[in-house]
Amino acid sequence: QQQVKQSPQSLIVQKGGIPIINCAYENTAFDYFPWYQQFPGKGPALLIAIRPDVSEKKEGRFTISFNKSAKQFSLHIMDSQPGDSATYFCAASTRNAGANNLFFGTGTRLTVIP
Amino acid sequence: NAGVTQTPKFQVLKTGQSMTLQCAQDMNHNSMYWYRQDPGMGLRLIYYSASEGTTDKGEVPNGYNVSRLNKREFSLRLESAAPSQTSVYFCASSLGGVGEQFFGPGTRLTVL
Repeated sequence: QQQVKQSPQSLIVQKGGIPIINCAYENTAFDYFPWYQQFPGKGPALLIAIRPDVSEKKEGRFTISFNKSAKQFSLHIMDSQPGDSATYFCAASTRNAGANNLFFGTGTRLTVIP
Repeated sequence: NAGVTQTPKFQVLKTGQSMTLQCAQDMNHNSMYWYRQDPGMGLRLIYYSASEGTTDKGEVPNGYNVSRLNKREFSLRLESAAPSQTSVYFCASSLGGVGEQFFGPGTRLTVL
């Protein structure tokens, strides 16, 4: 059973558009929600992360919106560029003194058309 | 700093063969992880090691074993490979229980 559900599976936008990727979870013990970006042939890399005590976090053109009551969070990419074309994964984990075990969504393949 | 390195990059096995995937990190991280990535399923945790000397099962541990050789190295072993283990395997590390995981470049494994 997928602990974090992600949609859409794929997304195509024009340069300058604002793609939005959505994720939902059920486990209320989750308290760390990162987004990872992966280019073909590479490992995922952390893009931005949020904790549930804030409703929004912005880093450059990337914004996470977090709705704790709905158990949903989303990634917005402002002024998208062709270089943003990649697969994006949301994830969630619980605080753990020993390790940070992430549960990943199934990924969204984003294509930004010049 | 090389970050997280993995060997080999590619491997083809026949059903029933065994192999070990190697992972090393040079960031002095305490925790290390092995994931597999399959189309449409995201990344799933196979095993993790919270600290040197400890290992624990993740979501999909069946068919795998791990060894935390020292603080730097964490290996994943397939004792008798099966076609269902065809996947891309990623190793990752983090400073501890809270924080960013850094991923290696992956090993693409095909089991015939």
